Amino acid sequence: DAGVTQSPTHLIKTRGQQVTLRCSPISGHKSVSWYQQVLGQGPQFIFQYYEKEERGRGNFPDRFSARQFPNYSSELNVNALLLGDSALYLCASRSGSEGSYEQYFGPGTRLTVT
Amino acid sequence: DQQVKQNSPSLSVQEGRISILNCDYTNSMFDYFLWYKKYPAEGPTFLISISSIKDKNEDGRFTVFLNKSAKHLSLHIVPSQPGDSAVYFCAAYYGGSQGNLIFGKGTKLSVKP
Repeated sequence: DAGVTQSPTHLIKTRGQQVTLRCSPISGHKSVSWYQQVLGQGPQFIFQYYEKEERGRGNFPDRFSARQFPNYSSELNVNALLLGDSALYLCASRSGSEGSYEQYFGPGTRLTVT
Repeated sequence: DQQVKQNSPSLSVQEGRISILNCDYTNSMFDYFLWYKKYPAEGPTFLISISSIKDKNEDGRFTVFLNKSAKHLSLHIVPSQPGDSAVYFCAAYYGGSQGNLIFGKGTKLSVKP
């Protein structure tokens, strides 16, 4: 079975630009979460979506937005990019069933803002 | 204010010996804990988890211990293998299975042949 997939793998953008990152969860998983990981830190929670509804949002500015589609894939959008947005963006999926805690991560998208 | 703390940035262990990775947390409302392993240029890989109602969970070479009164958990790897060399993250769930993960900063484990 395929794991969580993310695209693109790497991305270079200029300050002020906008970026869209994509994620496909494990088949059958209905919950998708997004995390940002900067060098030397653990992943930091950005958004959680379940059944196309936002279920949680971390401490990130409104420049960050996301959505989940009927097939449970998800997009993360970041507007007005800043140098500090350079990071590894991770997507994780979870089945969404009550009592199902394990989140499975994709390989990430490495975003560099210049 | 870090709610999940991994105070050792790195750990070096000889192959075949035990590796012990530690994690402390501050929020008594955390109800589930997970350990992830991360290689460079890859996403975190789920290793093992433990519910707050248990004090030990074992899976092959990996055992996680939870001491709720001390708000401390540890991951034991026995025996350690060179392929275990990676960054290990401790993560805690807040808000039940519909909640979200809070990660520590990670500990880089090096297992030397």
